[in-house]
Amino acid sequence: DTAVSQTPKYLVTQMGNDKSIKCEQNLGHDTMYWYKQDSKKFLKIMFSYNNKELIINETVPNRFSPKSPDKAHLNLHINSLELGDSAVYFCASSQLGRGTEAFFGQGTRLTVV
Amino acid sequence: DAKTTQPTSMDCAEGRAANLPCNHSTISGNEYVYWYRQIHSQGPQYIIHGLKNNETNEMASLIITEDRKSSTLILPHATLRDTAVYYCIVPDGGSQGNLIFGKGTKLSVKP
Repeated sequence: DTAVSQTPKYLVTQMGNDKSIKCEQNLGHDTMYWYKQDSKKFLKIMFSYNNKELIINETVPNRFSPKSPDKAHLNLHINSLELGDSAVYFCASSQLGRGTEAFFGQGTRLTVV
Repeated sequence: DAKTTQPTSMDCAEGRAANLPCNHSTISGNEYVYWYRQIHSQGPQYIIHGLKNNETNEMASLIITEDRKSSTLILPHATLRDTAVYYCIVPDGGSQGNLIFGKGTKLSVKP
């Protein structure tokens, strides 16, 4: 079983549309994350979320919103998509606390045309 | 900004040990050093982490200097499948999921 799974793997959409990327983890972790990897291959954290707290990277536009229906899922909703949103988005999970590792999904390649 | 500095790229012959250095001179006493790698088009993969002592697992060894200001990731017998970008990370605020990725080291394993 895949520990952290994302769907879809590829997403092509037009500017102005609203789209969602889904993420599920079966590791029993209490914290999940979204990362963005741009065309220059830099990986940047967008959000971290657990039952108690949502931490937002202040550089992320408010068109991006994470939604967590339960502890095992953290979906990423994007409104009014722009060309610059084209990137690979990675979901990750970990157990909050020091000395434990994060597990990443395989990524969703979003292309806005 | 990342708290670590790494060489941009390194080459290694297949079957030889790959030694990847990392400087983290501002690390605090209770902060861990983590290593991840990203093979082309895949999600980052956890390799190993350590606090003070040297660590070894099935993938690699991590050597941390006594002053903790630098470390070395060792892949004992590199294979072509180890070609990837390797990231040395000191998580921001100690939370291991809030990973600040730098540019990493592009390791090329050659036949």
